[in-house]
Amino acid sequence: EPEVTQTPSHQVTQMGQEVILRCVPISNHLYFYWYRQILGQKVEFLVSFYNNEISEKSEIFDDQFSVERPDGSNFTLKIRSTKLEDSAMYFCASSERRQGANGYTFGSGTRLTVV
Amino acid sequence: AQSVTQLGSHVSVSEGALVLLRCNYSSSVPPYLFWYVQYPNQGLQLLLKYTSAATLVKGINGFEAEFKKSETSFHLTKPSAHMSDAAEYFCAVSVYNTDKLIFGTGTRLQVFP
Repeated sequence: EPEVTQTPSHQVTQMGQEVILRCVPISNHLYFYWYRQILGQKVEFLVSFYNNEISEKSEIFDDQFSVERPDGSNFTLKIRSTKLEDSAMYFCASSERRQGANGYTFGSGTRLTVV
Repeated sequence: AQSVTQLGSHVSVSEGALVLLRCNYSSSVPPYLFWYVQYPNQGLQLLLKYTSAATLVKGINGFEAEFKKSETSFHLTKPSAHMSDAAEYFCAVSVYNTDKLIFGTGTRLQVFP
């Protein structure tokens, strides 16, 4: 079963530092996403990415955040100048078709702790 | 706007009992609906999906869900609970003409021996 791989699984960073969360989507998938889940809360959409550009972003995804597909396999989320409230589980996902007609596959997540 | 509502943040059942987790959706167009499971400290695993084909959808681990348009529901069921089913379950809807999922608040399932 193809998987979405996320690294690292845990990241602790000091407030104000920059972090990069990494994801390797499923190889034949064309749509990529980041979601986050603050402890005890629902999973929230951050951003979708298709054809090397952002296709949609939520109000959470402000100038502090950026995404990139630096090569043919990786998909990264950069958080500049982290804040305490950025502490959350961040999930990467990918899908083959639009609107997840064949389903969205999620990675195991990166738990980010900002101290 | 599309949304999902999960009734009951916690559900407890005995091992071997029926599992019923409720999800109601709001959508002005035929939705794509999903159930995901999250085991402790793990990611989101797709249980099953409804994408306008058969209204009774069978998923992994013996779970199934029935799409009922008249009731705007997509409840998740399993005839006989196992201890290993203890997890958090999320219902989600794919927002029309976008690429994002809207998740419900989740239901934590506890299974007692």
